[in-house]
Order: sequence, then structure tokens, then C-alpha cells
Amino acid sequence: GQNIDQPTEMTATEGAIVQINCTYQTSGFNGLFWYQQHAGEAPTFLSYNVLDGLEEKGRFSSFLSRSKGYSYLLLKELQMKDSASYLCAVNSNGRDKLSFGAGTTVTVRA
Amino acid sequence: DAGVTQSPTHLIKTRGQHVTLRCSPISGHKSVSWYQQVLGQGPQFIFQYYEKEERGRGNFPDRFSARQFPNYSSELNVNALLLGDSALYLCASSPTGLQGYTFGSGTRLTVV
Repeated sequence: GQNIDQPTEMTATEGAIVQINCTYQTSGFNGLFWYQQHAGEAPTFLSYNVLDGLEEKGRFSSFLSRSKGYSYLLLKELQMKDSASYLCAVNSNGRDKLSFGAGTTVTVRA
Repeated sequence: DAGVTQSPTHLIKTRGQHVTLRCSPISGHKSVSWYQQVLGQGPQFIFQYYEKEERGRGNFPDRFSARQFPNYSSELNVNALLLGDSALYLCASSPTGLQGYTFGSGTRLTVV
């Protein structure tokens, strides 16, 4: 199976930057996803990385290193509405399923 | 455009009962996946269907079953409910199942 690790909680101040790390062990890597999930709501898609490097989308960026089994999600100019759980998920072995980490709860303080 | 719709939104069942959860994918999406999310954890993969055929199954007991209909909607069935089945059940759809998953808002199942 897959082993996906990410920190449980992070706290940051409004306007700051936060980096959420994710490490994974898998065979047949086929892409890594980041999702945002507010309490009681569905996960919403943030980013997808399949090749090494940085993908930037507005205030959110995601980085992948396949050789290190490592990714991070960077949230810039934090806003109160960014307080949520951030889920790292890996697609592997060509199978049509995602294996999720437990999620990182980010709390943004004023 | 309607997103992924799931019904019901909330459900309370008694141990030993049976439950059916429903999912309608985004129009044009042929792949539907089911996930179980226990409070404080990430979603766990249960099933994936593409073009009405099962493509993958997670580590769940045979009490869990699913099917996909010709219109690509799907049902998840759970028999002989246990307290531990209490969770948020999420449905995700995508055009092919390889990327671009969109999740529904989920069904919150409580087993008492």
C-alpha cells in the first residue's frame, strides 16, 4: 500500500506564508494531488503534479520531487478563509484510486 | 453546471440495518469512486467504477458493495451496519478516472 505522511496541524498569521509538506512511499507513481477541505464539506481540488517541479496557481503553489517522494503545498498571503484541512493524495500503479494522507489542519489567525 | 450530487445528505441507521447511498456524477463523467472519511482522517478508497465496470476495490469487507448504472450514476450499499461504519461517505467523479476528480458534498452516516 501507500504510506503518505503530512503534519497534523499548522498555525499561521493572516498575510503570512505556510508550507505544508507531504512525503509518500508508493510503487508506480502516477501523480500527486492537493485538496482543500473545510469542516463538513467536500474536498475541493487545488493542484496536480505528475512531473518534478513547481506548479503555481495564484496564491497556491505545489512542488513535487519524485526521487525524494516529497511534495509541498505553499499558501501565500494567507486569508482567514484558508483555514481548512489540506489533503495530500497519491495516484499510483495506474489504478483509478487516490490514497490520501490524514490531512493537515491549517488555522489562520488575525 | 451541476456538480457531483449525493443523497441523502444525512442519515441515521441502527446497527444491523442496511443503507443505500446514491451519487450522480458530473454530466459527461464516466468514472465514479466512493470514499469513506472517518472524522479526523483522510478519505479511504472503497470502490471505483468506469463504464459500469468495477475497476478497483479498497480494503473493505464484503458488506460493502456498489454498482454503476447506464447513466453513470452509482449506488453504494452497506449491509449489517456496524457502529464503526459511521463516517462521511464521499463520491467523486472524473471523465476517465485518471485525474481531475471532483467530489460531492458527501453523505453523513451515523450508526447508533
